[in-house]
Amino acid sequence: GAGVSQSPSNKVTEKGKDVELRCDPISGHTALYWYRQSLGQGLEFLIYFQGNSAPDKSGLPSDRFSAERTGGSVSTLTIQRTQQEDSAVYLCASSLQGMNSPLHFGNGTRLTVT
Amino acid sequence: DQQVKQNSPSLSVQEGRISILNCDYTNSMFDYFLWYKKYPAEGPTFLISISSIKDKNEDGRFTVFLNKSAKHLSLHIVPSQPGDSAVYFCAASFSGNTGKLIFGQGTTLQVKP
Repeated sequence: GAGVSQSPSNKVTEKGKDVELRCDPISGHTALYWYRQSLGQGLEFLIYFQGNSAPDKSGLPSDRFSAERTGGSVSTLTIQRTQQEDSAVYLCASSLQGMNSPLHFGNGTRLTVT
Repeated sequence: DQQVKQNSPSLSVQEGRISILNCDYTNSMFDYFLWYKKYPAEGPTFLISISSIKDKNEDGRFTVFLNKSAKHLSLHIVPSQPGDSAVYFCAASFSGNTGKLIFGQGTTLQVKP
């Protein structure tokens, strides 16, 4: 079956511009996560959606970052007024509800802010 | 403050031999640990996990060991195969949300034919 799909795969933007990154989770997965991986670093948790509950935004690095999940499926991560330090690979993952369900990651969006 | 650390950025082993990847953590409240494998330009894929109530979990060629007193876990791959060459990330979580993970920096494994 289809895995987690992310678009675009690459995005180059100028400093100060806004960007939107999209994630289509695996059908039936109720949990959706955004992570980012900066160069040479591990993955860093950003935000988590579970069903209709309020999202866990504790990992968002600044108020320039926001995310939404419409209809319990597709999610968009928006970065406003991008900065060079936002350059990273942004990874989306989904999982089934329940304890110890492993995350299924997409291939990520490589964001470069010039 | 790095709560999950993989102190070896890279490891090279010969095909057929054992690969041992190590991971240390600082927060004793972590109670669920995972290993993910990542190929270039792909997302990480889940390999194996272990709950803190166990000290060993095995799945085929992959075994994860957990030493809670030392706050240390390791991944053993035996026998290693060239297709195992990838970046390996360990991750830790609290059982309340096992998808909200704290990752180590990763170890690049190269298995030479």
